[in-house]
Amino acid sequence: AQSVTQPDIHITVSEGASLELRCNYSYGATPYLFWYVQSPGQGLQLLLKYFSGDTLVQGIKGFEAEFKRSQSSFNLRKPSVHWSDAAEYFCAVAAGGGADGLTFGKGTHLIIQP
Amino acid sequence: DGGITQSPKYLFRKEGQNVTLSCEQNLNHDAMYWYRQDPGQGLRLIYYSQIVNDFQKGDIAEGYSVSREKKESFPLTVTSAQKNPTAFYLCASSKSGPGNQPQHFGDGTRLSIL
Repeated sequence: AQSVTQPDIHITVSEGASLELRCNYSYGATPYLFWYVQSPGQGLQLLLKYFSGDTLVQGIKGFEAEFKRSQSSFNLRKPSVHWSDAAEYFCAVAAGGGADGLTFGKGTHLIIQP
Repeated sequence: DGGITQSPKYLFRKEGQNVTLSCEQNLNHDAMYWYRQDPGQGLRLIYYSQIVNDFQKGDIAEGYSVSREKKESFPLTVTSAQKNPTAFYLCASSKSGPGNQPQHFGDGTRLSIL
C-alpha cells in the first residue's frame, strides 16, 4: 500500500523568505503526486500535480515542486513567501491511476512571521 | 460557476442518531469521494464512487454508508455505529480516466456530537 510522509508538522518562515516543504512517498510504481493547500475551515485547493515528464512542475501562487525518484520525494518550494501563504499544506499520492482515491500525508502547518 | 457544494456547513448529532451529509457537484465528474479529516491526521478515505449506482469502501468505511443514485450527488450517512464521528468531512470529485485527473474539493461539513 502507498503512504506519504510529511516530516514537518509545523514550519515558521519570515515573510519574503524562501520556503521548502518536504514530502516523501512510498509506492511501488510510478506515482501520481499532488500538493494541496487548505485554509482554516475550508476545503482543499490544488497547487500542482506530477504525472510524468519534466520532474520540476510549476503550480499556482508561485509554487513549484520537484519529483526525485531516487529519493522518493516531492518537495514543495516557493522563492518568497507572503503572509497569505499561511495555511495547511498536504502532499498526496494516487494509486491505481487515481480513481481509487488519494492517500494524504498528515500535513504541514505553515506560519508566516512578519 | 462549476463546483462542489457540501451542506450543511455545521451539523450536530445526538447519541444513537444517524445523520446525512450532502454533496452535490455540477462539474460533470464521474468519480466522487468522501474523506474524513481529524486534527493532525490528514485526510482519510471513507468511500468512493467511480460511476452511478456503484461505490467502494475506502480505508475507514465502518460506521458510514453512501449512495450514488445520480451523477451529481453522493450523500454520506454517518450511522450510530460510528462511535467517534466528530470530524471535518470533505467531499471531492474528479473526471474519470487514467491517473491524470486531480480531485476538486468542497468546503466541508463539520460534524459534532451533542
